[in-house]
Amino acid sequence: AQSVTQPDIHITVSEGASLELRCNYSYGATPYLFWYVQSPGQGLQLLLKYFSGDTLVQGIKGFEAEFKRSQSSFNLRKPSVHWSDAAEYFCAVGRDSNYQLIWGAGTKLIIKP
Amino acid sequence: SQTIHQWPATLVQPVGSPLSLECTVEGTSNPNLYWYRQAAGRGLQLLFYSVGIGQISSEVPQNLSASRPQDRQFILSSKKLLLSDSGFYLCAWGKGLAAVNEQFFGPGTRLTVL
Repeated sequence: AQSVTQPDIHITVSEGASLELRCNYSYGATPYLFWYVQSPGQGLQLLLKYFSGDTLVQGIKGFEAEFKRSQSSFNLRKPSVHWSDAAEYFCAVGRDSNYQLIWGAGTKLIIKP
Repeated sequence: SQTIHQWPATLVQPVGSPLSLECTVEGTSNPNLYWYRQAAGRGLQLLFYSVGIGQISSEVPQNLSASRPQDRQFILSSKKLLLSDSGFYLCAWGKGLAAVNEQFFGPGTRLTVL
């Protein structure tokens, strides 16, 4: 069965420092991968998505993610975080010929001043 | 442009009372519609999705139900709420297959069952 694992429940990063959020998936075919962000008490917003082609994907707000098939990973990165990046981040994988996404449990990002 | 509305924003209900949450989408036609629940400290759980009027697929057996009386309206209901129904309920819409298309989320409803 397909699954998505975000191994870090919380991550604390100093403002201006680099960030990497981990996402591992289990899927038999070529996955469609997404990263969404949720600010406190709000809905989710798409940061970026990977379907095929270049394995390094650029998204909004300065985020990027790299698809590594050999490691079944799709980690999210940002070179320098801002206090406004404090939020919860969700990784998701799409199921072929299906209307659903499989979601990770989320990683809460805390920014230290 | 497309917008998605949910109401109410917050709701406090006693155990055993009924529930009705509403979601409407503007600026698009024939969207796929989704209801998710997000319990504290947990990820998103898909409750229902709909690919058309009157077409509802349920992902998790529970005391909740969903209806789609109009193309851009999606309603989540319960006849008798349980304490475990507390959580943050998100409505979303998308086009085509979720595997390849972005989902757009509403602002959510915070439900507390006492």
